[in-house]
Amino acid sequence: AQSVTQPDIHITVSEGASLELRCNYSYGATPYLFWYVQSPGQGLQLLLKYFSGDTLVQGIKGFEAEFKRSQSSFNLRKPSVHWSDAAEYFCAVSGRRALTFGSGTRLQVQP
Amino acid sequence: EAEVAQSPRYKITEKSQAVAFWCDPISGHATLYWYRQILGQGPELLVQFQDESVVDDSQLPKDRFSAERLKGVDSTLKIQPAELGDSAMYLCASSLQGPTYEQYFGPGTRLTVT
Repeated sequence: AQSVTQPDIHITVSEGASLELRCNYSYGATPYLFWYVQSPGQGLQLLLKYFSGDTLVQGIKGFEAEFKRSQSSFNLRKPSVHWSDAAEYFCAVSGRRALTFGSGTRLQVQP
Repeated sequence: EAEVAQSPRYKITEKSQAVAFWCDPISGHATLYWYRQILGQGPELLVQFQDESVVDDSQLPKDRFSAERLKGVDSTLKIQPAELGDSAMYLCASSLQGPTYEQYFGPGTRLTVT
């Protein structure tokens, strides 16, 4: 069965600081991995995805993520956080079934 | 830019009443998903359609939930009777062809059962 773990429930960073959100997945074959962002009361927006190839993927809004098969991880990074990045972030894995999401990490940005 | 449409955006209903949600996917998208998101958690799949056929409804509480996608376009999710534990955000998503393609999410319907 596929599963996703996001160890950090809540993270607070200062505006302009760097960010890394952790994601660990469990899947028997090569996974399709995604990061989504959700603002309060809204649907989910895709930030980036990994299907194959280069293990460092670039996404929208200056985000990137690195796939590490040996660690079963797909961590999300951003070099400089903006106040508008405050939201809930979800990592997800997909294989033959629909997406399986982690429980999310809430990002708070301090001025 | 094409979007997934959902209605209503908010719904308040009393316990034991019936409630229905509607989703219109992006034109041309063969696969449609309904997810339920309880506050503070990630979305969980309820049902997946490929065209008009159900591909996966293993997590759908079939004693009270039903879903249909007549003609393989828009879809309706129904709950009857609603229970307090059904209070959640119901998200619809669509993709071109199956879960390996990017899923586009609608804005969701926030259901409150009183």
